[in-house]
Amino acid sequence: KAGVTQTPRYLIKTRGQQVTLSCSPISGHRSVSWYQQTPGQGLQFLFEYFSETQRNKGNFPGRFSGRQFSNSRSEMNVSTLELGDSALYLCASSSSGDLFEAFFGQGTRLTVV
Amino acid sequence: QKEVEQNSGPLSVPEGAIASLNCTYSDRVSQSFFWYRQYSGKSPELIMSIYSNGDKEDGRFTAQLNKASQYVSLLIRDSQPSDSATYLCAVPNDYKLSFGAGTTVTVRA
Repeated sequence: KAGVTQTPRYLIKTRGQQVTLSCSPISGHRSVSWYQQTPGQGLQFLFEYFSETQRNKGNFPGRFSGRQFSNSRSEMNVSTLELGDSALYLCASSSSGDLFEAFFGQGTRLTVV
Repeated sequence: QKEVEQNSGPLSVPEGAIASLNCTYSDRVSQSFFWYRQYSGKSPELIMSIYSNGDKEDGRFTAQLNKASQYVSLLIRDSQPSDSATYLCAVPNDYKLSFGAGTTVTVRA
C-alpha cells in the first residue's frame, strides 16, 4: 500500500515569490491535513480538508491557502514568501474515521532566501 | 496552558535500559492518543495509537493511558541506538492533531 506522497521534496525560493506544494494521500483516505514544522515552533497545524471541504484552519496569515481535489489530492500555496516561511511542510493523510489516526508524508523542505 | 505538554528532554539512556516518556493533555473529552517518532531530518512516523485506559504493548513499546489524570506515557524497553529520535505525543481535536514539543531520546551504546 503506497504511503503519502509529497512533491517536491526540496524547494528554494526568493522572498516575494509564491510556491505550491502537492500531497497525494494514502489510497482511500479522504482527509488531508497540513503542518508546518520549524525548530522554534515545533509542529503547527495549517489546515485540514475532507471531501474538498476545509474543516479547520490554523492560525496562519491569509498568504497560506490550500485546496483539495475530488481525488483527495491536496495542494497548499504560500504567496509573497517571507524568510520566516522557511520550514518543513508536512502533509498527513487520515481515513474518514473520528479517531484521526494520521500518517505523514516525507515533507517538503522549503528554503526562502 | 498548552493543549499537549511533554516532559522536557533531552533524555539520555544506556543501551538496554527503559526510556520513559510522559505527556499530559488539557482536553478532557479526547478519545484517542498517538505517539510519533521522528528521526532528525525526517517526517514523523506513527508508532503507537491508544484509545482505552490501561496499557497497550507493541513489541518493545508500551503506551499507558490514564484519562482521569489526562496522562499518556510511552515506555521503550531494551532501548537500542536505533531508538534515538524525537518522540512526539499527539492528541486530535477539531479535525487536527495537537502536538507536544517532543522529547529527544539518545540511547548510549
